[in-house]
Amino acid sequence: AQSVTQPDIHITVSEGASLELRCNYSYGATPYLFWYVQSPGQGLQLLLKYFSGDTLVQGIKGFEAEFKRSQSSFNLRKPSVHWSDAAEYFCAVGLLSGGYNKLIFGAGTRLAVHP
Amino acid sequence: DSGVTQTPKHLITATGQRVTLRCSPRSGDLSVYWYQQSLDQGLQFLIQYYNGEERAKGNILERFSAQQFPDLHSELNLSSLELGDSALYFCASSRASRANEKLFFGSGTQLSVL
Repeated sequence: AQSVTQPDIHITVSEGASLELRCNYSYGATPYLFWYVQSPGQGLQLLLKYFSGDTLVQGIKGFEAEFKRSQSSFNLRKPSVHWSDAAEYFCAVGLLSGGYNKLIFGAGTRLAVHP
Repeated sequence: DSGVTQTPKHLITATGQRVTLRCSPRSGDLSVYWYQQSLDQGLQFLIQYYNGEERAKGNILERFSAQQFPDLHSELNLSSLELGDSALYFCASSRASRANEKLFFGSGTQLSVL
């Protein structure tokens, strides 16, 4: 069955430090991959997405993600974290199932940023 | 602002009751999705409508139902409410219904069942 795993439930980093949030997926073919961010009290906002082509994709707010087929991973990175990046981050897989498109989310990683 | 409007923002009700959550998608979006977010289950896909028709069903209970109206707004009806139904319910919309669609999320309705 298709699934998305975010191994880290909670991560704390210092402001200015680099960040990597892990995401692994289970799917037979190359899926459509997304990272969404949820700020407190808000809905989810798309950071970036990967469909095909260049495996390193750039998103909003200085985030990037790299698709690695051999590792079934799509990790999110940012070179220097800002306090405003504190939020919950969701990796998601978009795929066709039973003729319909579905978006499956991981459990999320909550990011805390220390000053 | 995503352009997706959900009402009400907060809802407090008692077990056994019925509530209706409302969603207005972004202008021009034909697809509406409903998600339930809880601490123990995470973000769960409930149901999707496209241009008034049901397109996909996820982990939606039989006590729950939804519809999309001709003006494309959608309602999620939750009946015979139980304590475990307390959660944040999100609506999202997209232009079409492809697997690579970007979804725009509303800020959710926080449901508390007491």
